[in-house]
Amino acid sequence: EAGVAQSPRYKIIEKRQSVAFWCNPISGHATLYWYQQILGQGPKLLIQFQNNGVVDDSQLPKDRFSAERLKGVDSTLKIQPAKLEDSAVYLCASSPHRQATNEKLFFGSGTQLSVL
Amino acid sequence: GQQLNQSPQSMFIQEGEDVSMNCTSSSIFNTWLWYKQDPGEGPVLLIALYKAGELTSNGRLTAQFGITRKDSFLNISASIPSDVGIYFCAGHFPGTASKLTFGTGTRLQVTL
Repeated sequence: EAGVAQSPRYKIIEKRQSVAFWCNPISGHATLYWYQQILGQGPKLLIQFQNNGVVDDSQLPKDRFSAERLKGVDSTLKIQPAKLEDSAVYLCASSPHRQATNEKLFFGSGTQLSVL
Repeated sequence: GQQLNQSPQSMFIQEGEDVSMNCTSSSIFNTWLWYKQDPGEGPVLLIALYKAGELTSNGRLTAQFGITRKDSFLNISASIPSDVGIYFCAGHFPGTASKLTFGTGTRLQVTL
């Protein structure tokens, strides 16, 4: 079974530029998540999708971050404009479960973003 | 805010030694999950705990859900070099069923 695919693997941009990350979840997984992991910290949830609808985006900085999940499968996360503090690994995860407390997430390898 | 604190922050042990790490919460938890993250990869689920007092094993790994619901520990017996990585606890605070909160992590190094 193929895992969660993310691209690109690495991205280096200058501050105020725009960047986009792509995620393809495990086939059949209804729930998709984007997490931000700053160096030395645990992952922090940015946004959760159930199919193509947003379940939780309370920690997404909506003035610069946006995300969409076209047709309930692939997802893109965009930052526009980027700030230095956005440097982090952006992890995508998916889950087949609908009951949140029983969720077991499958993570991709992440996109490492460096903002200079 | 709600936090998960892990200790120790890092550990250096010799191959064959046993390891113990724990996680404490500022509030009660409904679920405790333990993940391992290898360098350059995403976290992988090791053990899931759903009831206070629950003790669960997965090979050389054993984890327990604290009776107070505010803590959990993870033990690794007879460590091997591939145990190297960062171990995260995670869980759902009551009322936040859709949001998985991760701890600060314990970095484990195993020397031969």
